Amino acid sequence: NAGVTQTPKFRVLKTGQSMTLLCAQDMNHEYMYWYRQDPGMGLRLIHYSVGEGTTAKGEVPDGYNVSRLKKQNFLLGLESAAPSQTSVYFCASKEMRISYNEQFFGPGTRLTVL
Amino acid sequence: AQSVTQLDSHVSVSEGTPVLLRCNYSSSYSPSLFWYVQHPNKGLQLLLKYTSAATLVKGINGFEAEFKKSETSFHLTKPSAHMSDAAEYFCVVSGLSGNTPLVFGKGTRLSVIA
Repeated sequence: NAGVTQTPKFRVLKTGQSMTLLCAQDMNHEYMYWYRQDPGMGLRLIHYSVGEGTTAKGEVPDGYNVSRLKKQNFLLGLESAAPSQTSVYFCASKEMRISYNEQFFGPGTRLTVL
Repeated sequence: AQSVTQLDSHVSVSEGTPVLLRCNYSSSYSPSLFWYVQHPNKGLQLLLKYTSAATLVKGINGFEAEFKKSETSFHLTKPSAHMSDAAEYFCVVSGLSGNTPLVFGKGTRLSVIA
């Protein structure tokens, strides 16, 4: 049981390049989330998904796209990377029970855009 | 709308002395509240959670927090700090609705002095 895993762990991009971050969970959770963490800002929600085939915007969605084609995977895409997207990205997942709101986090992906 | 305010961006204590990390929340309905810890270059780990059961919540590593509705607070405490407690701590709020995303505070960095 690996929990939540993220690929890659580190990446350096040049401005304008594209990339996809992969999040995978093996806990059969319905909900999945992508956050970015910047110094002094806490974690901010980029996009989230409440089930396979569904996605929704979070607090800071601009410049990102997501897809949830399989229940266990949640992809975060950057079509044209910008230096402002330099950050640490965390994926999280949560089961559907209303009374249980704990999210489980992956180890993070550190992205640098030059 | 929900929000979280962590009242101190940095707290420094001596090893063996008490720890107090302060958090105030705002929520239009009965919230779920969490404290997460992040050690340097690591992911987020759940310390404890409040979900409308007992107002005094005990977590891992000797931490506890008390939910005070009248003060809209959820402060984190520990009787005696250990060097390994040095980390970033996040107070987090979420509604009881299953698909409500988490809202993070900006974090409090705890330093422990030998």
